[in-house]
Amino acid sequence: KAGVTQTPRYLIKTRGQQVTLSCSPISGHRSVSWYQQTPGQGLQFLFEYFSETQRNKGNFPGRFSGRQFSNSRSEMNVSTLELGDSALYLCASSAEGGILGWGTEAFFGQGTRLTVV
Amino acid sequence: EDQVTQSPEALRLQEGESSSLNCSYTVSGLRGLFWYRQDPGKGPEFLFTLYSAGEEKEKERLKATLTKKESFLHITAPKPEDSATYLCAVQTDTGNQFYFGTGTSLTVIP
Repeated sequence: KAGVTQTPRYLIKTRGQQVTLSCSPISGHRSVSWYQQTPGQGLQFLFEYFSETQRNKGNFPGRFSGRQFSNSRSEMNVSTLELGDSALYLCASSAEGGILGWGTEAFFGQGTRLTVV
Repeated sequence: EDQVTQSPEALRLQEGESSSLNCSYTVSGLRGLFWYRQDPGKGPEFLFTLYSAGEEKEKERLKATLTKKESFLHITAPKPEDSATYLCAVQTDTGNQFYFGTGTSLTVIP
């Protein structure tokens, strides 16, 4: 069974640019959630999508947005990049009814390492 | 303010030396507490979900427990392959927010 796939694995962008990251969940999973991981702040929840609808949202500015397609694949977009956006961006998928293992297990991808210069 | 604090930040154990990791939380209402293991360069791997005080769950050498203010991850007779960063996270029942601790980096020495 294929795991959660995130692309690209590494990305370097310039301040002010925008970036789109992609996450393909495990087949059959309808919930996809996104997280930012930095050495100083640790893991922070961005948002969760379930059946193409944003169901939960963390405390991030509007520059961070996402969407989910009918095949459950999800994209995350960051506009007007800032140096502080440099981080490992992780997505996780679960079957339904919750993220982070609530009710069912959640599985993480290996992440996209974004560097803003 | 809702927050999650893990201690210690780093822990070095001899193989076979049992210990516990702590995750204390201050949230308005707890919906669930989660433990994850993260290896370098990889995404977190789900370990346990705990829903209410008094609950315990076990998996191989790991046992997670939950009280009203904290959770412990007990590691019994650890092996070098248990070396990783262990993360805990809580989900609140108001607004469905998720908060992660900054993790405990565990090193088990052969």
